[in-house]
Amino acid sequence: DTGVSQNPRHKITKRGQNVTFRCDPISEHNRLYWYRQTLGQGPEFLTYFQNEAQLEKSRLLSDRFSAERPKGSFSTLEIQRTEQGDSAMYLCASSFGQTHTGELFFGEGSRLTVL
Amino acid sequence: AQRVTQPEKLLSVFKGAPVELKCNYSYSGSPELFWYVQYSRQRLQLLLRHISRESIKGFTADLNKGETSFHLKKPFAQEEDSAMYYCALGVFNKFYFGSGTKLNVKP
Repeated sequence: DTGVSQNPRHKITKRGQNVTFRCDPISEHNRLYWYRQTLGQGPEFLTYFQNEAQLEKSRLLSDRFSAERPKGSFSTLEIQRTEQGDSAMYLCASSFGQTHTGELFFGEGSRLTVL
Repeated sequence: AQRVTQPEKLLSVFKGAPVELKCNYSYSGSPELFWYVQYSRQRLQLLLRHISRESIKGFTADLNKGETSFHLKKPFAQEEDSAMYYCALGVFNKFYFGSGTKLNVKP
């Protein structure tokens, strides 16, 4: 297991296009998180899953953003009708835990540039 | 609302000098605090958590509930400590990160 894997690593798109990012967590981890990070800021929580259930979604996340985790394995984050303000690094992290906050293992991120 | 504040964007020290990276949090419940580190061209990784009360790479952090702080300290900084450091607050399986402090250890 090489850790959390994210694809693509870089994506350049034109405003108005749709983009999808994929995250493959560490295999035994039941929790999966998506974060967004812009220059000079820390990771900002977007959403998280426990197994296949999406348990929470940030109020900052517009309805153009959707995430799935079918069968509790990999996850996808889709952004529809991209805007320049969506340009950021999108981080995925996974953890193992049932009742307690566990250590997050991060992927290398997917950098989105919207022209 | 939960919030994590790291007041210093950049901290520069000479090798061998003591280091303290500040972190303050806002949360009315019982907090879980963490320090994450990102070395150049590496992914974000856990450095230490308050519940473990351990020292990692010479770093320690004490949770002060009265001052709502979780400052990261190291008595003698090394050049390999140069990195971005993020303080994080764990609340019901969600993590809230500060904006980070870049530590630069000069030779």
